[in-house]
Amino acid sequence: GAVVSQHPSWVICKSGTSVKIECRSLDFQATTMFWYRQFPKQSLMLMATSNEGSKATYEQGVEKDKFLINHASLTLSTLTVTSAHPEDSSFYICSATGTSGRTYNEQFFGPGTRLTVL
Amino acid sequence: GNSVTQMEGPVTLSEEAFLTINCTYTATGYPSLFWYVQYPGEGLQLLLKATKADDKGSNKGFEATYRKETTSFHLEKGSVQVSDSAVYFCALSPQGAQKLVFGQGTRLTINP
Repeated sequence: GAVVSQHPSWVICKSGTSVKIECRSLDFQATTMFWYRQFPKQSLMLMATSNEGSKATYEQGVEKDKFLINHASLTLSTLTVTSAHPEDSSFYICSATGTSGRTYNEQFFGPGTRLTVL
Repeated sequence: GNSVTQMEGPVTLSEEAFLTINCTYTATGYPSLFWYVQYPGEGLQLLLKATKADDKGSNKGFEATYRKETTSFHLEKGSVQVSDSAVYFCALSPQGAQKLVFGQGTRLTINP
């Protein structure tokens, strides 16, 4: 149980276009979802925290107009990279926590999405 | 601020060797401490955790003890297997918060 999926697993886009990444909790209700970014051979950096039905809380230094996060339901959050540029190329990972049992105190991670901007 | 520093990799060991991956942290108050593992092609999975000083987390033969006096949470396993090959991340959750602060990850390869 407590499975999180991401779609797509990888995407290549042209500079200036927008890309949407989906994060879904498959078997639990995710009241809180987190979006991380991972550079090669580096740590995961938290970008933002989103609670269902509320605006996301962005970490310092993350452009909220560039990285649009929507958490409209208890099983889906989306990250849209707007007007993507090559420096946005990275591995984006989401995680989710729920409201009961094991999901309450633990983050469950998706497999990640590799974004390459040409 | 909050930060985690862990042993740089990659680490390569032979099967049945003893494993230590060092992790130290900086945080205010009393954070919770975690080790996550990422197998090839999969998402991060919680390996073990400790929520207060002197707690020992353990799972699948791995252990780590929350040492507040040395601000450390070193990961150990007495006898590693090829299936333990993965990337290991040390992380903390600040007191009263859900978010995670990660170390840079250590790639572990176990040779038969």
